[in-house]
Amino acid sequence: DVKVTQSSRYLVKRTGEKVFLECVQDMDHENMFWYRQDPGLGLRLIYFSYDVKMKEKGDIPEGYSVSREKKERFSLILESASTNQTSMYLCASSLSGRLYNEQFFGPGTRLTVL
Amino acid sequence: AQKITQTQPGMFVQEKEAVTLDCTYDTSDPSYGLFWYKQPSSGEMIFLIYQGSYDQQNATEGRYSLNFQKARKSANLVISASQLGDSAMYFCAMREDSNYQLIWGAGTKLIIKP
Repeated sequence: DVKVTQSSRYLVKRTGEKVFLECVQDMDHENMFWYRQDPGLGLRLIYFSYDVKMKEKGDIPEGYSVSREKKERFSLILESASTNQTSMYLCASSLSGRLYNEQFFGPGTRLTVL
Repeated sequence: AQKITQTQPGMFVQEKEAVTLDCTYDTSDPSYGLFWYKQPSSGEMIFLIYQGSYDQQNATEGRYSLNFQKARKSANLVISASQLGDSAMYFCAMREDSNYQLIWGAGTKLIIKP
């Protein structure tokens, strides 16, 4: 059974803290993605990676960075958390190549920054 | 400009009735794919169905079918014989062949009434 796991379901952090969100997939997928989801806005892409050590900015990369040192793991880093980064964060992975390759999602991390 | 538009923020439907969730899209890429995902209250995104721009027939997966009208740029999801477990957020998304990214609509919240 395909699996994308995220390190925490719920996280509460203070303003200014450095926050790490971890995502691991066991499907040998080349592509990995980090989204944030806010009500009424759908999913917005923060960063994606199409290979180890490769990363591309999405639509809203400001205030975030990522790391992909191994194929199965994609980390999202909030360098200095702010209250406007309170959101649901979703990680996804997919095979590359075919247009029809769907993205598989993790359960999400609901982050609250106080 | 919005590339994916879901005009129904919320819908109530009686159990066992069919339901149509609207999705219109905008692209100049002749090769693209359209995806529908379901997000129950638990938060995990579940892939439902895919339609490619060159597919001759409308996609079907069990109780889900896609009413694809290419000239009108619409890709509506039809759920037949709705069940209480169909209550969820539903998202339409598009991927253009020239792009890794999925572009997401804002979603429709579907509530099935017993």
